[in-house]
Amino acid sequence: EAQVTQNPRYLITVTGKKLTVTCSQNMNHEYMSWYRQDPGLGLRQIYYSMNVEVTDKGDVPEGYKVSRKEKRNFPLILESPSPNQTSLYFCASSTRLAGEHTDTQYFGPGTRLTVL
Amino acid sequence: AQSVTQLDSQVPVFEEAPVELRCNYSSSVSVYLFWYVQYPNQGLQLLLKYLSGSTLVESINGFEAEFNKSQTSFHLRKPSVHISDTAEYFCAVSDLGRDDKIIFGKGTRLHILP
Repeated sequence: EAQVTQNPRYLITVTGKKLTVTCSQNMNHEYMSWYRQDPGLGLRQIYYSMNVEVTDKGDVPEGYKVSRKEKRNFPLILESPSPNQTSLYFCASSTRLAGEHTDTQYFGPGTRLTVL
Repeated sequence: AQSVTQLDSQVPVFEEAPVELRCNYSSSVSVYLFWYVQYPNQGLQLLLKYLSGSTLVESINGFEAEFNKSQTSFHLRKPSVHISDTAEYFCAVSDLGRDDKIIFGKGTRLHILP
């Protein structure tokens, strides 16, 4: 089954304790992206990656890091989480192949993060 | 920079009544347009999209959206809503990969009243 998986689905942590949210897709997609969803603000893009070893900042990258060492994985790293990073996070992927490139995003189920 | 405006944060509508969820985007250059739906406690899934060709696009569950280039709009409509349509709907736009960013609106929560 074609899917994007995220782990963990729920996480409660404390300020300053480093954490990683994993994201993996099995569709061989080139493009992967992280969003955060906050009430009244919709989805905001944190980071995106066009392909392996290629990453770029989205609209709200402060406080986050990403890496793309393998095509299927795109982990989101919070080196020193703060309460304002409490949010619902979504990973998404899409293909960029010529002829198939439509920017249609396939979303993971979400990770609800609470930073105390 | 591209932006997306969903004017209504919440839309209440009676079951079996028609509904329109509005979406406007900022740029008149060529774009891809999307509507995504998020059911309670779930991730987002594609509802429909406009890439090129016919300006009226339809989904399998009765929604349709019309691309209006002159008004830079992509409003979502359904002639008769069902309780199962209760969800949050997000409009999104991409500048055909020019800057590789996909911009989402803030969402419209559709409440179906019995």
